[in-house]
Amino acid sequence: TQLLEQSPQFLSIQEGENLTVYCNSSSVFSSLQWYRQEPGEGPVLLVTVVTGGEVKKLKRLTFQFGDARKDSSLHITAAQPGDTGLYLCAGIYNFNKFYFGSGTKLNVKP
Amino acid sequence: EADIYQTPRYLVIGTGKKITLECSQTMGHDKMYWYQQDPGMELHLIHYSYGVNSTEKGDLSSESTVSRIRTEHFPLTLESARPSHTSQYLCASSDSGGSTEAFFGQGTRLTVV
Repeated sequence: TQLLEQSPQFLSIQEGENLTVYCNSSSVFSSLQWYRQEPGEGPVLLVTVVTGGEVKKLKRLTFQFGDARKDSSLHITAAQPGDTGLYLCAGIYNFNKFYFGSGTKLNVKP
Repeated sequence: EADIYQTPRYLVIGTGKKITLECSQTMGHDKMYWYQQDPGMELHLIHYSYGVNSTEKGDLSSESTVSRIRTEHFPLTLESARPSHTSQYLCASSDSGGSTEAFFGQGTRLTVV
């Protein structure tokens, strides 16, 4: 059983389009993170959200943490080929263990 | 830039061989983790450690074992490799302090033939 479900699993879009990926759980986490992983590399942290309802922006990326701290979304505006990768959400439980979601594989075509 | 290193990057071995995947970090982090990941898929936690001489099994059952004799070193061993062990193995570490960021190595891609 996966603690964190991500959707969609795969997404292929044209450069310039907007997209949103989702991370949902039935569990409450102390914080939630988003990572991006490129082929042949380990995941790299993009953002950490801690407070329910929190919104963080990182250039063209907007991250939102649900009010109940069980879900999160990542919105990318005007996607670029450099955004291509595997996006993983991670729930932090008791400040110790990282539970990773199932991942969304994004492909942005030029 | 993360200072966590895994060796080897790629490994192809025969069934029945014993192997050790190395992971070292120079950040002084107390917590270290091993994840198993099929290409482009989710990460499954197989082992973690909160400090020297502390190791726990993760949520995905694994026939591998780990040790934590030094803070900076967290090797993973397979006593007898099988084709079902073919996967990518990612090592990570994090601080016990305020930051909960997980820093990952580049991974070891293991193929058992």
